[in-house]
Amino acid sequence: DAKTTQPTSMDCAEGRAANLPCNHSTISGNEYVYWYRQIHSQGPQYIIHGLKNNETNEMASLIITEDRKSSTLILPHATLRDTAVYYCIEAYNTDKLIFGTGTRLQVFP
Amino acid sequence: DTAVSQTPKYLVTQMGNDKSIKCEQNLGHDTMYWYKQDSKKFLKIMFSYNNKELIINETVPNRFSPKSPDKAHLNLHINSLELGDSAVYFCASSQLDANEQFFGPGTRLTVL
Repeated sequence: DAKTTQPTSMDCAEGRAANLPCNHSTISGNEYVYWYRQIHSQGPQYIIHGLKNNETNEMASLIITEDRKSSTLILPHATLRDTAVYYCIEAYNTDKLIFGTGTRLQVFP
Repeated sequence: DTAVSQTPKYLVTQMGNDKSIKCEQNLGHDTMYWYKQDSKKFLKIMFSYNNKELIINETVPNRFSPKSPDKAHLNLHINSLELGDSAVYFCASSQLDANEQFFGPGTRLTVL
């Protein structure tokens, strides 16, 4: 079973930052935090991952707390196409992904 | 240019039949996976496979079997289909020690 907890759903206005929280209080020292998203009727898509440092790529930023018990995925300027289910996963590597129920993000005009 | 492709996209069949779903990746990855997403949208891994090892999720019935004719393909065979097998099945691939899995578009299986 998934070990992370996320809000069931969130809303965000188009153009604003979407901040998606995730709790992973039982994460082990060498487990990464991965974020994937699933747009309706499509396969999941990798967004970003991190170990303990904050990370940024062309899609998003990942902020991990110092104690590593929680993190926040930030979509800096949400668009309607960012409407999706976002999954936060703790795993030792990409071979061992266990998806939870995720957060359904609805971006509205 | 499709990285991970699956066929068919939709599959409707009767209980008790045997069916296969094909998956191909053109990324040169060495590991492939099958996932099942049920009607409640839970996405669960069924198998992971590379040229050395098949890892099976212990909850998967032995009616399901992955078959890999070569490194670029991992097909899913399902025997004696049951109503509860109705779901969307996703194939994925990754490279050892890489950061991400690439998912296919999914195959929606409906068992009547």
